[in-house]
Amino acid sequence: EAQVTQNPRYLITVTGKKLTVTCSQNMNHEYMSWYRQDPGLGLRQIYYSMNVEVTDKGDVPEGYKVSRKEKRNFPLILESPSPNQTSLYFCASSLRGSGVYEQYFGPGTRLTVT
Amino acid sequence: AQTVTQSQPEMSVQEAETVTLSCTYDTSESDYYLFWYKQPPSRQMILVIRQEAYKQQNATENRFSVNFQKAAKSFSLKISDSQLGDAAMYFCAYRSVSYSGGGADGLTFGKGTHLIIQP
Repeated sequence: EAQVTQNPRYLITVTGKKLTVTCSQNMNHEYMSWYRQDPGLGLRQIYYSMNVEVTDKGDVPEGYKVSRKEKRNFPLILESPSPNQTSLYFCASSLRGSGVYEQYFGPGTRLTVT
Repeated sequence: AQTVTQSQPEMSVQEAETVTLSCTYDTSESDYYLFWYKQPPSRQMILVIRQEAYKQQNATENRFSVNFQKAAKSFSLKISDSQLGDAAMYFCAYRSVSYSGGGADGLTFGKGTHLIIQP
């Protein structure tokens, strides 16, 4: 089954404790992206990757890191999480990095930073 | 940069009736894609319908259709014969046709409309 998976689905952590949210797709997609969703703000892009070893900042990249060493994986790293990073996070992928290709979303990761 | 505005934070409709969700956007581009996504309580993002800006014909998918007014930069979603399973957050989103580099590349979302279906 074609899908985007994220782990963990739920995470409660404390301020400053480094964490990684994994994202993996099995559709051989070139483009992958991370979004965060906050009440009243919709979804906002954090980082994206056009292909392996090619990443770029989205609209809200502060406090996040990403890497793309393999085509299928695009982990999101929070080196020193803070309470304002409490949010719902989505990973998405598409065949190519252009509007014509539909983005497929993962199930979301609910992160709480205390 | 593009912006997407959904002016209705919440809408309510009786089951079996028709409802229209509004979306306007601002862009200087002439070609682009517009989307409506549904987010039910499960939080999964589900693509409902897609419109290519260069196509004048409005997209339809079963009970879902759009009214795309390019000159007015308006992209509303009409849901006919509303069903209880349509209750969800609905997001309007914009994406450029191609990556031009030097900035964010992805979907630009509106803030969402919470749709309530009254039985």
